[in-house]
Amino acid sequence: EDQVTQSPEALRLQEGESSSLNCSYTVSGLRGLFWYRQDPGKGPEFLFTLYSAGEEKEKERLKATLTKKESFLHITAPKPEDSATYLCAVLPQTGFQKLVFGTGTRLLVSP
Amino acid sequence: SQTIHQWPATLVQPVGSPLSLECTVEGTSNPNLYWYRQAAGRGLQLLFYSVGIGQISSEVPQNLSASRPQDRQFILSSKKLLLSDSGFYLCAWGGVRQETQYFGPGTRLLVL
Repeated sequence: EDQVTQSPEALRLQEGESSSLNCSYTVSGLRGLFWYRQDPGKGPEFLFTLYSAGEEKEKERLKATLTKKESFLHITAPKPEDSATYLCAVLPQTGFQKLVFGTGTRLLVSP
Repeated sequence: SQTIHQWPATLVQPVGSPLSLECTVEGTSNPNLYWYRQAAGRGLQLLFYSVGIGQISSEVPQNLSASRPQDRQFILSSKKLLLSDSGFYLCAWGGVRQETQYFGPGTRLLVL
Protein backbone atom coordinates (compact mmCIF):
# COMPACT_ATOMS: atom_id res chain seq x y z
CA GLU A 1 0.00 0.00 0.00
CA ASP A 2 1.26 3.46 -0.91
CA GLN A 3 2.03 5.47 2.20
CA VAL A 4 3.49 8.84 3.22
CA THR A 5 4.79 9.64 6.71
CA GLN A 6 5.82 13.15 7.72
CA SER A 7 7.95 14.08 10.71
CA PRO A 8 7.96 15.80 13.04
CA GLU A 9 4.24 16.37 13.55
CA ALA A 10 4.99 19.83 14.90
CA LEU A 11 8.11 21.99 14.98
CA ARG A 12 8.77 25.22 16.79
CA LEU A 13 11.69 27.39 15.65
CA GLN A 14 13.10 30.74 16.54
CA GLU A 15 13.33 33.23 13.72
CA GLY A 16 16.57 32.55 11.84
CA GLU A 17 16.92 28.98 13.19
CA SER A 18 17.25 26.69 10.15
CA SER A 19 15.80 23.18 10.15
CA SER A 20 14.40 20.40 7.96
CA LEU A 21 11.10 18.62 7.60
CA ASN A 22 11.02 14.97 6.57
CA CYS A 23 8.69 13.08 4.25
CA SER A 24 9.20 9.31 4.03
CA TYR A 25 7.30 7.35 1.44
CA THR A 26 6.63 3.87 0.20
CA VAL A 27 5.10 3.71 -3.24
CA SER A 28 4.86 1.30 -6.13
CA GLY A 29 6.94 3.47 -8.46
CA LEU A 30 7.11 7.24 -8.06
CA ARG A 31 5.77 9.59 -10.71
CA GLY A 32 6.26 12.65 -8.56
CA LEU A 33 6.54 14.02 -5.03
CA PHE A 34 4.82 17.26 -4.10
CA TRP A 35 5.18 19.79 -1.32
CA TYR A 36 2.36 22.14 -0.35
CA ARG A 37 2.01 24.86 2.25
CA GLN A 38 -1.33 25.22 4.06
CA ASP A 39 -2.33 28.16 6.22
CA PRO A 40 -5.13 27.68 8.81
CA GLY A 41 -8.56 27.58 7.19
CA LYS A 42 -7.19 27.78 3.64
CA GLY A 43 -6.50 25.42 0.78
CA PRO A 44 -3.01 23.99 0.22
CA GLU A 45 -0.68 26.17 -1.83
CA PHE A 46 1.62 24.39 -4.25
CA LEU A 47 5.36 24.73 -3.57
CA PHE A 48 7.39 22.10 -5.45
CA THR A 49 7.24 19.00 -7.60
CA LEU A 50 10.19 16.57 -7.58
CA TYR A 51 10.42 13.71 -10.05
CA SER A 52 13.64 11.77 -9.50
CA ALA A 53 16.21 11.02 -6.81
CA GLY A 54 18.85 13.70 -6.56
CA GLU A 55 16.56 16.46 -7.77
CA GLU A 56 16.44 19.73 -5.81
CA LYS A 57 14.15 22.75 -6.07
CA GLU A 58 14.43 26.11 -4.29
CA LYS A 59 12.08 28.99 -3.59
CA GLU A 60 13.13 31.83 -1.33
CA ARG A 61 14.02 30.25 2.05
CA LEU A 62 12.76 26.79 1.08
CA LYS A 63 14.67 23.99 -0.59
CA ALA A 64 13.22 20.57 -1.36
CA THR A 65 15.34 17.48 -2.00
CA LEU A 66 14.46 13.92 -3.00
CA THR A 67 15.99 10.48 -2.46
CA LYS A 68 14.58 7.07 -3.32
CA LYS A 69 12.89 6.79 0.07
CA GLU A 70 12.33 10.30 1.39
CA SER A 71 12.21 13.99 0.75
CA PHE A 72 13.36 16.87 2.88
CA LEU A 73 12.08 20.41 2.99
CA HIS A 74 14.91 22.58 4.27
CA ILE A 75 13.99 25.94 5.73
CA THR A 76 16.88 28.40 5.94
CA ALA A 77 16.69 31.36 8.33
CA PRO A 78 12.91 31.12 8.70
CA LYS A 79 10.68 34.09 9.39
CA PRO A 80 7.39 34.18 11.30
CA GLU A 81 5.50 34.31 8.00
CA ASP A 82 6.82 30.83 7.20
CA SER A 83 4.58 29.48 9.97
CA ALA A 84 2.12 27.03 8.37
CA THR A 85 1.45 23.34 7.90
CA TYR A 86 3.61 21.75 5.22
CA LEU A 87 2.10 18.82 3.36
CA CYS A 88 3.90 16.16 1.36
CA ALA A 89 2.19 13.99 -1.26
CA VAL A 90 3.28 11.31 -3.72
CA LEU A 91 1.86 10.28 -7.04
CA PRO A 92 2.29 6.54 -7.73
CA GLN A 93 3.22 5.26 -11.18
CA THR A 94 0.17 3.03 -11.38
CA GLY A 95 -3.40 4.16 -11.61
CA PHE A 96 -4.88 7.55 -12.24
CA GLN A 97 -3.49 10.82 -10.87
CA LYS A 98 -4.40 10.07 -7.26
CA LEU A 99 -2.16 11.84 -4.79
CA VAL A 100 -1.36 10.13 -1.48
CA PHE A 101 -0.89 12.71 1.26
CA GLY A 102 0.92 12.71 4.58
CA THR A 103 -0.66 14.31 7.63
CA GLY A 104 1.68 17.29 7.53
CA THR A 105 4.16 19.11 9.76
CA ARG A 106 2.91 22.17 11.66
CA LEU A 107 5.67 24.76 11.72
CA LEU A 108 5.65 27.70 14.10
CA VAL A 109 8.36 30.32 13.79
CA SER A 110 8.62 32.72 16.70
CA PRO A 111 10.10 36.22 16.39
CA SER B 1 -3.64 32.47 -15.23
CA GLN B 2 -5.82 29.79 -13.71
CA THR B 3 -8.13 30.41 -10.76
CA ILE B 4 -10.24 28.01 -8.77
CA HIS B 5 -13.27 29.08 -6.76
CA GLN B 6 -15.30 27.28 -4.12
CA TRP B 7 -18.48 28.26 -2.37
CA PRO B 8 -19.77 28.60 0.13
CA ALA B 9 -16.73 29.22 2.31
CA THR B 10 -18.49 28.02 5.45
CA LEU B 11 -21.66 26.02 5.94
CA VAL B 12 -23.54 24.82 9.02
CA GLN B 13 -26.20 22.23 8.28
CA PRO B 14 -28.46 19.99 10.39
CA VAL B 15 -28.19 16.22 10.20
CA GLY B 16 -30.40 14.84 7.43
CA SER B 17 -30.36 18.00 5.32
CA PRO B 18 -29.14 18.08 1.70
CA LEU B 19 -25.79 19.46 0.59
CA SER B 20 -24.46 21.14 -2.51
CA LEU B 21 -20.91 22.48 -2.74
CA GLU B 22 -19.71 24.08 -5.94
CA CYS B 23 -16.28 24.42 -7.50
CA THR B 24 -15.41 26.30 -10.68
CA VAL B 25 -12.12 26.73 -12.49
CA GLU B 26 -11.14 29.62 -14.76
CA GLY B 27 -8.34 29.97 -17.26
CA THR B 28 -8.01 26.36 -18.41
CA SER B 29 -9.90 23.88 -20.56
CA ASN B 30 -10.73 20.23 -19.95
CA PRO B 31 -9.08 20.06 -16.52
CA ASN B 32 -9.05 17.00 -14.31
CA LEU B 33 -11.10 17.89 -11.23
CA TYR B 34 -10.92 16.45 -7.73
CA TRP B 35 -12.86 16.59 -4.44
CA TYR B 36 -10.94 15.96 -1.22
CA ARG B 37 -11.95 15.97 2.42
CA GLN B 38 -9.56 16.98 5.16
CA ALA B 39 -10.33 15.92 8.73
CA ALA B 40 -8.40 17.22 11.72
CA GLY B 41 -5.15 15.32 12.20
CA ARG B 42 -5.59 13.30 9.03
CA GLY B 43 -4.26 13.59 5.54
CA LEU B 44 -6.33 14.72 2.61
CA GLN B 45 -8.68 11.98 1.46
CA LEU B 46 -9.63 11.84 -2.21
CA LEU B 47 -13.41 11.50 -2.59
CA PHE B 48 -14.09 11.89 -6.31
CA TYR B 49 -12.26 12.75 -9.49
CA SER B 50 -13.40 13.60 -12.99
CA VAL B 51 -11.62 13.60 -16.34
CA GLY B 52 -14.48 15.17 -18.29
CA ILE B 53 -18.11 16.27 -18.36
CA GLY B 54 -20.35 13.62 -16.84
CA GLN B 55 -17.38 11.36 -15.98
CA ILE B 56 -17.09 10.75 -12.24
CA SER B 57 -15.00 8.22 -10.35
CA SER B 58 -15.64 7.55 -6.67
CA GLU B 59 -12.84 6.62 -4.33
CA VAL B 60 -14.66 6.13 -1.05
CA PRO B 61 -18.11 4.62 -0.56
CA GLN B 62 -20.27 7.09 1.34
CA ASN B 63 -23.45 9.12 1.16
CA LEU B 64 -21.82 11.80 -0.99
CA SER B 65 -22.00 12.12 -4.76
CA ALA B 66 -20.37 14.33 -7.35
CA SER B 67 -21.37 15.72 -10.71
CA ARG B 68 -19.67 17.63 -13.50
CA PRO B 69 -22.35 19.38 -15.54
CA GLN B 70 -19.91 21.67 -17.35
CA ASP B 71 -16.24 21.44 -18.30
CA ARG B 72 -15.04 23.68 -15.48
CA GLN B 73 -17.71 23.03 -12.85
CA PHE B 74 -17.63 20.31 -10.22
CA ILE B 75 -20.36 19.81 -7.63
CA LEU B 76 -20.35 17.76 -4.44
CA SER B 77 -23.77 16.72 -3.13
CA SER B 78 -25.57 14.73 -0.51
CA LYS B 79 -29.24 13.93 -0.06
CA LYS B 80 -28.97 13.50 3.71
CA LEU B 81 -25.98 14.69 5.71
CA LEU B 82 -24.46 12.69 8.56
CA LEU B 83 -22.50 14.02 11.52
CA SER B 84 -19.44 12.29 10.10
CA ASP B 85 -19.66 14.43 6.95
CA SER B 86 -18.29 17.41 8.88
CA GLY B 87 -14.89 18.52 7.62
CA PHE B 88 -12.97 20.75 5.28
CA TYR B 89 -13.79 20.09 1.64
CA LEU B 90 -11.26 20.97 -0.99
CA CYS B 91 -11.60 21.07 -4.75
CA ALA B 92 -8.51 20.78 -6.93
CA TRP B 93 -7.70 20.86 -10.63
CA GLY B 94 -4.89 19.45 -12.69
CA GLY B 95 -3.93 19.46 -16.36
CA VAL B 96 -4.48 16.36 -18.47
CA ARG B 97 -0.74 15.77 -18.86
CA GLN B 98 0.28 17.53 -15.69
CA GLU B 99 0.72 15.77 -12.40
CA THR B 100 0.54 18.82 -10.14
CA GLN B 101 -2.83 19.56 -8.57
CA TYR B 102 -3.87 23.05 -7.52
CA PHE B 103 -6.31 23.55 -4.71
CA GLY B 104 -9.18 25.93 -4.10
CA PRO B 105 -9.80 27.87 -0.88
CA GLY B 106 -12.00 25.13 0.62
CA THR B 107 -15.43 24.89 2.28
CA ARG B 108 -15.73 24.31 6.02
CA LEU B 109 -18.80 22.12 6.66
CA LEU B 110 -20.20 21.58 10.12
CA VAL B 111 -23.07 19.12 10.50
CA LEU B 112 -25.00 19.47 13.76
